[in-house]
Amino acid sequence: AQSVTQLDSQVPVFEEAPVELRCNYSSSVSVYLFWYVQYPNQGLQLLLKYLSGSTLVKGINGFEAEFNKSQTSFHLRKPSVHISDTAEYFCAVTGGSNYKLTFGKGTLLTVNP
Amino acid sequence: DGGITQSPKYLFRKEGQNVTLSCEQNLNHDAMYWYRQDPGQGLRLIYYSQIVNDFQKGDIAEGYSVSREKKESFPLTVTSAQKNPTAFYLCASSIEGGTGDTQYFGPGTRLTVL
Repeated sequence: AQSVTQLDSQVPVFEEAPVELRCNYSSSVSVYLFWYVQYPNQGLQLLLKYLSGSTLVKGINGFEAEFNKSQTSFHLRKPSVHISDTAEYFCAVTGGSNYKLTFGKGTLLTVNP
Repeated sequence: DGGITQSPKYLFRKEGQNVTLSCEQNLNHDAMYWYRQDPGQGLRLIYYSQIVNDFQKGDIAEGYSVSREKKESFPLTVTSAQKNPTAFYLCASSIEGGTGDTQYFGPGTRLTVL
């Protein structure tokens, strides 16, 4: 079985500050990892994903994430956030023969002026 | 434009009534999924289908039913047996349903039981 833990349920930051949203996973097989963003009352949009290769993955809207196998982590980062980045962010994992996505409970990022 | 549509956006239901949520995709994807989202709970898988006329239960299938008669359509029925149906429901699709496939999401339907 796989599981995902998003360590912070809420992260408030000021505009133009850097941000890191933390994600740890548990799995007995090789994993594929995803970050999705959800704006209020909307569906989820893929930010980035790690399948293999370089452990630093770049996504849309200036976000990036680093896969760390030894720490079983996939933290999401942005060097300078905007008001428009205010949203809920979900980390998800799948792997092995299990093609079902397992989601974390989400982190609400609030960017204040 | 290719994408996933869900209708209606908001749905109100009286207790004891069945209700069907629509999900249509024109991405030519084989796999489709239904998730339920509750505040602070993340997304939980209700049902998924990797091919027409076949579907499997997810983690919280009790009180729900689905059909997959056409590749582009995957309606979800919330039955009166679902004890707490008020939630945000999200439909998704992926190319094949294989490991590592990206799932693309619709805009969601918010169901409220009165």
